[in-house]
Amino acid sequence: EAGVTQSPTHLIKTRGQQATLRCSPISGHTSVYWYQQALGLGLQFLLWYDEGEERNRGNFPPRFSGRQFPNYSSELNVNALELEDSALYLCASSLGRLRVEAFFGQGTRLTVV
Amino acid sequence: DQQVKQNSPSLSVQEGRISILNCDYTNSMFDYFLWYKKYPAEGPTFLISISSIKDKNEDGRFTVFLNKSAKHLSLHIVPSQPGDSAVYFCAASAEGQNFVFGPGTRLSVLP
Repeated sequence: EAGVTQSPTHLIKTRGQQATLRCSPISGHTSVYWYQQALGLGLQFLLWYDEGEERNRGNFPPRFSGRQFPNYSSELNVNALELEDSALYLCASSLGRLRVEAFFGQGTRLTVV
Repeated sequence: DQQVKQNSPSLSVQEGRISILNCDYTNSMFDYFLWYKKYPAEGPTFLISISSIKDKNEDGRFTVFLNKSAKHLSLHIVPSQPGDSAVYFCAASAEGQNFVFGPGTRLSVLP
């Protein structure tokens, strides 16, 4: 069974540009979570989607946005990129809002220059 | 305000010995707890979980203990192996809420 897949693996953007990161959850999972891990720091919660709706949002500016598609895949968009947005962006999926574990993808390494 | 705390940034243990990683939380609504292991430049790997109705859960070499009154949980790894060297994250969630992660503890298992 395929795990959570994220694309691209690496992304290099210039300050001020927009970045789009993609995530495909494990088959049957309806919840998708996005986390940011800046260098040397922990996992900071960005967004949570379930059944196509945004369920919760972390303490990030509005230029971080996303959506979940009918097939439960998800996109994270970061507008007006800043140097400090350089980080590993991790996507996780789980079986809806059940009390079960979430499984992570390998992440997208975003570098803003 | 950090709701999930891992006060030890790093821990070194001899191979074959027990590793004990600690985690404290402040939100009394948290009722589901998880531990993840993470290698550099990879996504976290789920290890073990525990719900608040239990005080212990065991899976092979990994055991998680939950002390609800102290709002404390710990992960025991016995015996520790060099391949266990990684960053360990504690996570917690409340009903209908996302997972909140601690800052992580870097475990080094020395041969």
